[in-house]
Amino acid sequence: AQSVTQLGSHVSVSEGALVLLRCNYSSSVPPYLFWYVQYPNQGLQLLLKYTTGATLVKGINGFEAEFKKSETSFHLTKPSAHMSDAAEYFCAVSAWMGGSQGNLIFGKGTKLSVKP
Amino acid sequence: DAMVIQNPRYQVTQFGKPVTLSCSQTLNHNVMYWYQQKSSQAPKLLFHYYDKDFNNEADTPDNFQSRRPNTSFCFLDIRSPGLGDAAMYLCATSRDTGLGSGGPGGIYEQYFGPGTRLTVT
Repeated sequence: AQSVTQLGSHVSVSEGALVLLRCNYSSSVPPYLFWYVQYPNQGLQLLLKYTTGATLVKGINGFEAEFKKSETSFHLTKPSAHMSDAAEYFCAVSAWMGGSQGNLIFGKGTKLSVKP
Repeated sequence: DAMVIQNPRYQVTQFGKPVTLSCSQTLNHNVMYWYQQKSSQAPKLLFHYYDKDFNNEADTPDNFQSRRPNTSFCFLDIRSPGLGDAAMYLCATSRDTGLGSGGPGGIYEQYFGPGTRLTVT
């Protein structure tokens, strides 16, 4: 079974500061990992995903994440926060189960606030 | 632009009164999903359709049903809404499931609609 733990339900940073949102996963098979962003009263938008290959993944809006198998982590970072980054961020895991793609299992989300 | 559309964006229903939420897509994707997201919680998959094949999650209450009359449309029916069913309902689509040529690494991305926020009075 797969699971995701997002450390910190709420993170606050100043505009221009580093953004670091933490995600740890559990999976009995090689995982596929995703970060989604959700703005208020909107659906989820894919920021980036890791499937295979390069462990440092670049996404939209300047975000990137690094898959670290030894740490079972997939933390999301952005060098310089912008006010428009204020949103809720969800980490998700899926795993190839042989017969079909595993469903997305989401973490509980981290709400990012950006102070001027 | 190809997209996932959900109507209405906000729905108010009375306790016990059946309600239907609608999702349509212009992406021509094979798979359509319904998620329930309660306040400050992660989205939870209720069920999905692969083409016309219905796949129910084991813990989805019988109160929730779904219909997919054609590729473009999928409906979520709540037969007797309770106060605990108040939530955001998210529809998503993906081209396929399983490994394949869905992109680097071969995983198929899910595209989400804007959601319908359901209030039960």
